[in-house]
Amino acid sequence: DAKTTQPNSMESNEEEPVHLPCNHSTISGTDYIHWYRQLPSQGPEYVIHGLTSNVNNRMASLAIAEDRKSSTLILHRATLRDAAVYYCILRPLNDYKLSFGAGTTVTVRA
Amino acid sequence: NAGVTQTPKFRVLKTGQSMTLLCAQDMNHEYMYWYRQDPGMGLRLIHYSVGEGTTAKGEVPDGYNVSRLKKQNFLLGLESAAPSQTSVYFCASRRPSGSSYNEQFFGPGTRLTVL
Repeated sequence: DAKTTQPNSMESNEEEPVHLPCNHSTISGTDYIHWYRQLPSQGPEYVIHGLTSNVNNRMASLAIAEDRKSSTLILHRATLRDAAVYYCILRPLNDYKLSFGAGTTVTVRA
Repeated sequence: NAGVTQTPKFRVLKTGQSMTLLCAQDMNHEYMYWYRQDPGMGLRLIHYSVGEGTTAKGEVPDGYNVSRLKKQNFLLGLESAAPSQTSVYFCASRRPSGSSYNEQFFGPGTRLTVL
């Protein structure tokens, strides 16, 4: 299975944008890119996903490189509630499962 | 709409004891999953089910059994608990198609300590 590489941690100031990188150089053409986040003492929650094109939703934006070997999750205005572990996950087409790595721990400073 | 619920929230067992963790979802989802999360690590898949009456092994199935007798429930059993099974257990569910089918919905977790 293709793997992802994320920084261990990132810090941001409140109300500033956060750009979370994810490298997936061995991604295959039918792998979806998923992002989940896990707030302290809670279960993970879905953030966004994409295949080839950039995606936006109410929580975040996902920018996917043209060669698909990397992607960036963008939180447009970080709040204290966005402090969490963010997981970048590749899910092959027709695979039911998600494989979580260690993720990136995001700290937001007031 | 409660989403995904897990029972119990906390449990302490002695080595060798058995227990069952219950996961329930009211979203009529076909797929259900059990994960464990050890301190400082990501989630690892234990077992999963793609429909009532079906189960399959995940990444770390040893020492666990599961059953999916009803669509809305997914049970995780520990027959003889070991300290290595001390962890936080998360259940999740997902629909196979339609809107938001790419999204797994997670429960709040069960914190299990085996002494």
